[in-house]
Amino acid sequence: ETGVTQTPRHLVMGMTNKKSLKCEQHLGHNAMYWYKQSAKKPLELMFVYNFKEQTENNSVPSRFSPECPNSSHLFLHLHTLQPEDSALYLCASSQRGMNYGYTFGSGTRLTVV
Amino acid sequence: DQQVKQNSPSLSVQEGRISILNCDYTNSMFDYFLWYKKYPAEGPTFLISISSIKDKNEDGRFTVFLNKSAKHLSLHIVPSQPGDSAVYFCAASVEYGNKLVFGAGTILRVKS
Repeated sequence: ETGVTQTPRHLVMGMTNKKSLKCEQHLGHNAMYWYKQSAKKPLELMFVYNFKEQTENNSVPSRFSPECPNSSHLFLHLHTLQPEDSALYLCASSQRGMNYGYTFGSGTRLTVV
Repeated sequence: DQQVKQNSPSLSVQEGRISILNCDYTNSMFDYFLWYKKYPAEGPTFLISISSIKDKNEDGRFTVFLNKSAKHLSLHIVPSQPGDSAVYFCAASVEYGNKLVFGAGTILRVKS
């Protein structure tokens, strides 16, 4: 596989559930990101990991918990979410210092019921 | 406060004509600007970029213009094709390959 792979593509969960989103990159990049895309809003940066260390948490509620076990994998653990958390969650990777921009995954469409 | 703004939520253009998508930014530290294209059910894909040392970058039908004094950039697509119909996001960063700030996107519809 190449590029950035996100699973699952779609997820419906209840407010009391616990679930995890997975992201994997096969590009050898050293930075990974979680973004949230809500309708008619800019992509909102949630978390930044550089060399698997979290370098930014953009005031994200604690019901979202990221994990980066190595530079190729990134998880977003979800628990006790609210309906307003329903959105498209995008993972991206990049090589810091190189002008290649980001490579995005296809996203996980999350619906909280 | 949005640092990157795309004030036109949508744009409709006839096939073969020019599409111009606009973007404004407020952070003078931004040094690197990109445009991404997004189809439904897919992640955004990189389209074209420009660094602050340039005022124009061209790649085939796509040209990005940067006006640093006005803190404004634009994407020109000519000629526009129906396959260009997508959401276009403007993005900016202070450092290459790190922490992009995105605009809200502009939906482009190219009519045949």
